[in-house]
Amino acid sequence: SQQGEEDPQALSIQEGENATMNCSYKTSINNLQWYRQNSGRGLVHLILIRSNEREKHSGRLRVTLDTSKKSSSLLITASRAADTASYFCATDAKGAQKLVFGQGTRLTINP
Amino acid sequence: NAGVMQNPRHLVRRRGQEARLRCSPMKGHSHVYWYRQLPEEGLKFMVYLQKENIIDESGMPKERFSAEFPKEGPSILRIQQVVRGDSAAYFCASSPSPNTEAFFGQGTRLTVV
Repeated sequence: SQQGEEDPQALSIQEGENATMNCSYKTSINNLQWYRQNSGRGLVHLILIRSNEREKHSGRLRVTLDTSKKSSSLLITASRAADTASYFCATDAKGAQKLVFGQGTRLTINP
Repeated sequence: NAGVMQNPRHLVRRRGQEARLRCSPMKGHSHVYWYRQLPEEGLKFMVYLQKENIIDESGMPKERFSAEFPKEGPSILRIQQVVRGDSAAYFCASSPSPNTEAFFGQGTRLTVV
């Protein structure tokens, strides 16, 4: 079964609004990473948050991690049309050395 | 520093042929991961390799699929006797060590006709 599960599966908002995507996982992790994938393209690494970190920022991105709830959120502020993409979380379970991906959230930013 | 390079970008094979997908990791990265992605789905882990060693192949089908990462040269994912169900995008990622950022290539889109 998938380690990471994103919620919602699809999200459509107006340009300028904030977008929040959530990720839940099942086992203890070393770290959690968020990626973006534009249609038909490769994955772009956005941010890595370690299990001992609670929040991390990068530009318009804000990631939180709650290990007690086994969940993470990705917030994109002041969204732009170019943010339209699929967003995936990937977890790196303790004792394993591979990233396990969720099914992703398909984000559409309407101009 | 070039990113992860995969080739070919697109590959068309007839049923029964062999497909060879190549991945050159980023400079300084000795850990390589292969993933498969079907349309509208997430990435499914296939195999994790370090130089000359397969560390975790728990996601690899037992038959027809193999992977290697030789001391010199790119990592190769080989699919023998391809079937229509093998049609997918295959992505390679590399990292300098386990439990760190993994960077992905642009993928190889395999179409079996």
